[in-house]
This record gives sequence, C-alpha cells and structure tokens, in this order.
Amino acid sequence: GEDVEQSLFLSVREGDSSVINCTYTDSSSTYLYWYKQEPGAGLQLLTYIFSNMDMKQDQRLTVLLNKKDKHLSLRIADTQTGDSAIYFCAEMLPSTGRRALTFGSGTRLQVQP
Amino acid sequence: DADVTQTPRNRITKTGKRIMLECSQTKGHDRMYWYRQDPGLGLRLIYYSFDVKDINKGEISDGYSVSRQAQAKFSLSLESAIPNQTALYFCATRSQGDTGELFFGEGSRLTVL
Repeated sequence: GEDVEQSLFLSVREGDSSVINCTYTDSSSTYLYWYKQEPGAGLQLLTYIFSNMDMKQDQRLTVLLNKKDKHLSLRIADTQTGDSAIYFCAEMLPSTGRRALTFGSGTRLQVQP
Repeated sequence: DADVTQTPRNRITKTGKRIMLECSQTKGHDRMYWYRQDPGLGLRLIYYSFDVKDINKGEISDGYSVSRQAQAKFSLSLESAIPNQTALYFCATRSQGDTGELFFGEGSRLTVL
C-alpha cells in the first residue's frame, strides 16, 4: 500500500538535538515536506525539500534526504520546549498528478525541561 | 483573522444525523482539500477540488460528500453520521503551480455518539 511511515513518539531533553525519521513510498516524489502541528491547531509547513537535493538547512532545522532508501529526516538542533508538537512527513505523489499530499502518521515530540 | 476558517470547531451529534462542516478561505487559492485526522493514522484525504466544477475523491470518500459553492467555500457533508466518523477534520488550501504547500484551517472536531 501507499504508506508514509514515521515512529509515533520521541522524547528528548531541552537543549539536545531531535531527529525525526520518515520513510516514504515513491522515489519519484517531487517534493517532501515536514509539517508541525501544535496542540489544538492545524498543520503548518515547517520546511520542504526538493527531490534533487540531499540536504537543506534552515536555522535550527536540517532536512536530510536519501532517495536511494526513500528516507527523510528532520533534525532540530538545541530543542526547546516550544518545539513540543506532532511532526508530519508528507510527499507529493506523482500518481495523484501532483494534486494532493500524502501524510505520515505523525511523530509526537516531547521535550522535557 | 484566519486565512482558512472552519465551522463549527466542535460538534457532537448522534448516529444517523446529517452534518455539514464548512470551510471558507481568503487566500484566493483555487485548490481546496478535506482531510481527516485520527490518532496514529495521520491525515487521510477525503475529497479535493481544483475549482467549482472540479471535485475529486480522495482515499476515504465513502460516507462523505462535498460541495464547492464558490472559489472560497468548500463544504463537507456526512449524510448519515456513524461513530467511526468521529475524528478531527481539516480543510486546507493550496495555490496553483507552487511547491505544494498546504494552508490548513484550525480543524473541526466531530463526535458521533
């Protein structure tokens, strides 16, 4: 089936780095995304990476893409309590004519003070 | 004011009742989506629309219908609600020809007793 897979839970201490992993389904996906959902809110785009890139860095965020293994990761440096949220990996599947995103199950990040 | 507004934010109803969830947007986007979020399952696509004359089923459209009344409005209906439709429902929009970023509403929590 078409599943974007993520682990469900990650707990880190404040100040440590967090790494959230994702495996996606289609090596021809054009864009891959990380969305963040804070409690009681909708999802917001955190960052994205185009499929011809291996890495993208944006302040405390680093996205790594391994196309061969269809593996995407999000690293958050110096994790803060405000980073506690659910993080969703998503891909744009060519089979949908680039019409919709397919999301993973989400990883709940808990940051302990 | 939010760019993507969903009403109601919370609704409790009984099995067999007809329910409509409404979504309106001020972003001027052509593309609108309805997703359903369940714990541990992530977001799953119900329906999407590219304009008022273009409605497409997503992966879990059974038991749901939609109406695109105008470019800015996209409603989701449950003709006869059942308990396994208890979930958090999100409307999202997207502009044409971009990186695929979705803009989400804050969600409508539906409970079917």
